[in-house]
Amino acid sequence: DARVTQTPRHKVTEMGQEVTMRCQPILGHNTVFWYRQTMMQGLELLAYFRNRAPLDDSGMPKDRFSAEMPDATLATLKIQPSEPRDSAVYFCASGTGQGARDTQYFGPGTRLTVL
Amino acid sequence: GDSVTQMEGPVTLSEEAFLTINCTYTATGYPSLFWYVQYPGEGLQLLLKATKADDKGSNKGFEATYRKETTSFHLEKGSVQVSDSAVYFCALRKTGANNLFFGTGTRLTVIP
Repeated sequence: DARVTQTPRHKVTEMGQEVTMRCQPILGHNTVFWYRQTMMQGLELLAYFRNRAPLDDSGMPKDRFSAEMPDATLATLKIQPSEPRDSAVYFCASGTGQGARDTQYFGPGTRLTVL
Repeated sequence: GDSVTQMEGPVTLSEEAFLTINCTYTATGYPSLFWYVQYPGEGLQLLLKATKADDKGSNKGFEATYRKETTSFHLEKGSVQVSDSAVYFCALRKTGANNLFFGTGTRLTVIP
């Protein structure tokens, strides 16, 4: 049963520290998405990639967030420096990129708390 | 711009009650529509989808019909169970796009 995996599942850090979240998409999927979920804003798209190339990162605060895909099996989301307002659950999702037939499969999320 | 408006929650129902969670959308063209479910402590799972007008998506007793005339995709289930307690998200994807636009989510609690 193929799944999207995310690490760590939980992260508590202090303001100003660097945070790196990792995602392993389902093998063979060529689209990867990063979402942030908060009580106030709900689910927000931060960035997404197709064939490892960033297609849209307009939802991401550029000054502190960065997203990359070093290879097809790893996507990373980095926050430097972190701030308390970054506390949220960060989800990664992957898909086949096949237009109307595509389905996004979500990982279990990384719950980030910035003190 | 494109958006999804979902019924405000929370919704509390007794077991075996009928469920409706309303969802309407605003989008140009012919988007694909989705319902995702999030159980406590987990990521979102696709529940059902419809890709064109009058399509009905169904899964696990849940159904939703893509109504272009009313721009709606309401989720229904005839008899809910305690295990259906979760947060339900309506979402759309524009034609030709990859990313999803999500509604705010509706929390459902089913009591025995």
